[in-house]
Amino acid sequence: AQSVTQLGSHVSVSEGALVLLRCNYSSSVPPYLFWYVQYPNQGLQLLLKYTTGATLVKGINGFEAEFKKSETSFHLTKPSAHMSDAAEYFCAVSAPRAAGNKLTFGGGTRVLVKP
Amino acid sequence: GAVVSQHPSRVICKSGTSVKIECRSLDFQATTMFWYRQFPKQSLMLMATSNEGSKATYEQGVEKDKFLINHASLTLSTLTVTSAHPEDSSFYICSARGTSGFTGELFFGEGSRLTVL
Repeated sequence: AQSVTQLGSHVSVSEGALVLLRCNYSSSVPPYLFWYVQYPNQGLQLLLKYTTGATLVKGINGFEAEFKKSETSFHLTKPSAHMSDAAEYFCAVSAPRAAGNKLTFGGGTRVLVKP
Repeated sequence: GAVVSQHPSRVICKSGTSVKIECRSLDFQATTMFWYRQFPKQSLMLMATSNEGSKATYEQGVEKDKFLINHASLTLSTLTVTSAHPEDSSFYICSARGTSGFTGELFFGEGSRLTVL
């Protein structure tokens, strides 16, 4: 079984400030981890993913995330927020090669960027 | 990247009617597609896994006779909400995984907003 917990359903940051979105997971096997972004009335767009190898992964739009096995975390960061970063962000986990390989999503974090 | 398209993006229907939503993989073949439901300001809940040429696998609590899924080809899966009622109003999103290689990544459609009056 696998699960994802995103701390904070809403995050408000000032334009230019650091964005930090927290994600903790549980998985019975080494996981694949993902961050997706969703704009209003749209589907999900992949920001970045961790499968194997380097634990610091860089994604699109200046985002990056670090896989920390000891902390079972995969927090998402961006050094400087932009107004266009206002959206809903979802952390997700899947178990490689598991039956169906389904994605399990966290509850989501809505980011508000203040000018 | 791979493109997944959903149609229609918005649909309004009367209570008791059936609505079909299509999910197409435009530039790759998808052996597996997933259907999610998203309520306002909530996360995505997996409804079912659709496998080409076989019956869909439904998650616990999802009525298979209510939400009919057909995956007749490697590029098309359909979700039919039968005898829709207002409580079925939601945002439905599909995703697809390709046939070649696997990194766990899924490609998502744009979503379909269903409103049942």
